[in-house]
Amino acid sequence: NAGVTQTPKFQVLKTGQSMTLQCAQDMNHNSMYWYRQDPGMGLRLIYYSASEGTTDKGEVPNGYNVSRLNKREFSLRLESAAPSQTSVYFCASIPQGFYNEQFFGPGTRLTVL
Amino acid sequence: GENVEQHPSTLSVQEGDSAVIKCTYSDSASNYFPWYKQELGKRPQLIIDIRSNVGEKKDQRIAVTLNKTAKHFSLHITETQPEDSAVYFCAARPSGGSYIPTFGRGTSLIVHP
Repeated sequence: NAGVTQTPKFQVLKTGQSMTLQCAQDMNHNSMYWYRQDPGMGLRLIYYSASEGTTDKGEVPNGYNVSRLNKREFSLRLESAAPSQTSVYFCASIPQGFYNEQFFGPGTRLTVL
Repeated sequence: GENVEQHPSTLSVQEGDSAVIKCTYSDSASNYFPWYKQELGKRPQLIIDIRSNVGEKKDQRIAVTLNKTAKHFSLHITETQPEDSAVYFCAARPSGGSYIPTFGRGTSLIVHP
């Protein structure tokens, strides 16, 4: 199993550009999540998907959209990037069942100039 | 919603010393408390977790304690080694909802040889 994969690993955008961060998991997990990590701020939830076909806002959803394409894939889109969106983005998934470990992808380091 | 406070933000110890990281949470419905280690440039990875019906759990040099009455839990690392240097995150997950964990802001542990 590859676990949770993310593409790209690094990206530089100019203000106003758009892009989509891709995430996929091959562990048949129901729940998937997008976080951003900024220095001293921990992991903040942007959006999550409890199951295929559903998505919900997290703590910091402004400026982002998501798509749960199927059970494996959960993408994050920045429609008009801003410097405040410079961050490291992690995708994660959790299998069904309450006391289960959350698995993280390797992260995408995004810089918006 | 859940609020998780983590202290200290930075912890510096000598090799061989013990390190303790403390977290408090606000939602009495939280029943699962994982701890993650994140090495520089890497993804967070689960190192130990504890369920609400357990007061303490140990795995070699690391242990976690939970006090549900006081709503706090702690990570204890004994005989620290340079490879323990990393950022550690605590999290709390309520029993309801969509398995959404709330993370603390992280503790940067530095172990000096």
